[in-house]
Amino acid sequence: AQSVSQHNHHVILSEAASLELGCNYSYGGTVNLFWYVQYPGQHLQLLLKYFSGDPLVKGIKGFEAEFIKSKFSFNLRKPSVQWSDTAEYFCAVNALDNFNKFYFGSGTKLNVKP
Amino acid sequence: DGGITQSPKYLFRKEGQNVTLSCEQNLNHDAMYWYRQDPGQGLRLIYYSQIVNDFQKGDIAEGYSVSREKKESFPLTVTSAQKNPTAFYLCASNAGNTIYFGEGSWLTVV
Repeated sequence: AQSVSQHNHHVILSEAASLELGCNYSYGGTVNLFWYVQYPGQHLQLLLKYFSGDPLVKGIKGFEAEFIKSKFSFNLRKPSVQWSDTAEYFCAVNALDNFNKFYFGSGTKLNVKP
Repeated sequence: DGGITQSPKYLFRKEGQNVTLSCEQNLNHDAMYWYRQDPGQGLRLIYYSQIVNDFQKGDIAEGYSVSREKKESFPLTVTSAQKNPTAFYLCASNAGNTIYFGEGSWLTVV
């Protein structure tokens, strides 16, 4: 069975600090990869996605993620966080031979101090 | 507006009662999903449907039931057999291998 691991459950940063959230998945085949964000009181929104091509993908609000196939990883990064980035972040995987099932990590709560 | 509409947003249920959560989408998406979100556990798949009149169990289907009689609608029934139903429930639909979520429904069993 597929699984998605997010190693950091709660991250606290000061504004302007750099962010990296880890995501690893267990599946040997071809995958689509996603990061979703849930701001306080709001619904889950797509932050960025990787299907194929350049393994470094850029999303909204200055976020980017790098797919490293050999490490089964898809880490999320942002060079300088803002207070408005305070949210919960979820990594998700969709296996292409089971394309209608999406598996999510347990989430990482990011708290950015002003 | 196009999107996924879940109702009600907040629901209280007495133990032993069934309750149905509504999910409607006007995005013309074929695939729809129900997830349950619990603190520290992320999103867990309850049921999903790839087309009308077809649905499959997800990882935690026990105590839940669904129907997919129309493309636009995918209601979830939380039955009295669900041992721990208090949670946040999310409906989603799929377009182009990307899923999009509704705003969620909070269910509290009292």
